[in-house]
Amino acid sequence: QVQLVQSGAEVKKPGASVKLSCRTSGYTFTGRAVHWLRQVPGQRPECLGYINAGNGNIRYSPNFLDRLTFTSDTSATTAYMELSSLRSEDTAVYYCARDGGWTYGTTLFDYWGQGALVTVS
Amino acid sequence: IVMTQSPLSLPVTPGEPASISCRSSQSLVNSNGYTQLGWYLQKPGQSPQLLIYLVSNRASGVPGRFSGSGSGTDFTLKISRVEAEDVGVYYCMQTLQSPYTFGPGTRVDLK
Repeated sequence: QVQLVQSGAEVKKPGASVKLSCRTSGYTFTGRAVHWLRQVPGQRPECLGYINAGNGNIRYSPNFLDRLTFTSDTSATTAYMELSSLRSEDTAVYYCARDGGWTYGTTLFDYWGQGALVTVS
Repeated sequence: IVMTQSPLSLPVTPGEPASISCRSSQSLVNSNGYTQLGWYLQKPGQSPQLLIYLVSNRASGVPGRFSGSGSGTDFTLKISRVEAEDVGVYYCMQTLQSPYTFGPGTRVDLK
């Protein structure tokens, strides 16, 4: 079965960086993009962008262009997200999600990681 | 693209129907004629889960009591008969233009 398992909660100081992982299993990692989202408690989710390890495509939200880096390790079927220059407003739950929409002509998040709380304080 | 929803809070009686509206600031129809609108449910303490994609297609495993409709900029999610397990926050989401954006959410709870 498809699973996305994220690394654990992190506490960081302002100005530091955080790197989260999303280990996938149960499907061909290079066949689907992995998206990253975040959600401040009580607010709507926010899309950060995605990485497609199959074709090398990476897209970042314009709001994070200079602070966000997506990478992947195909042998470990794992996607990574690094956010730098952290500030208190970056405190949120960060999710990875698989894009299962290729065959339907859309983007849809059919499997999600469990989320990782990042606290900047 | 700005997404709005109404109502933001919806108390429901089990067994009764429920309806949530979603509106986008521009048409969500892509160049192939597909409308890029989906619905997600976030149950308390859980990650969001996909309910509906391309306006009206139920995701695998989603009960038949959920249905989506709409076109262009106006969309609706309906639950024919609400069950206790349906409580949570419902989000519409557009995937026409990056960054993809969610509506503010509609919190559904039981009366």
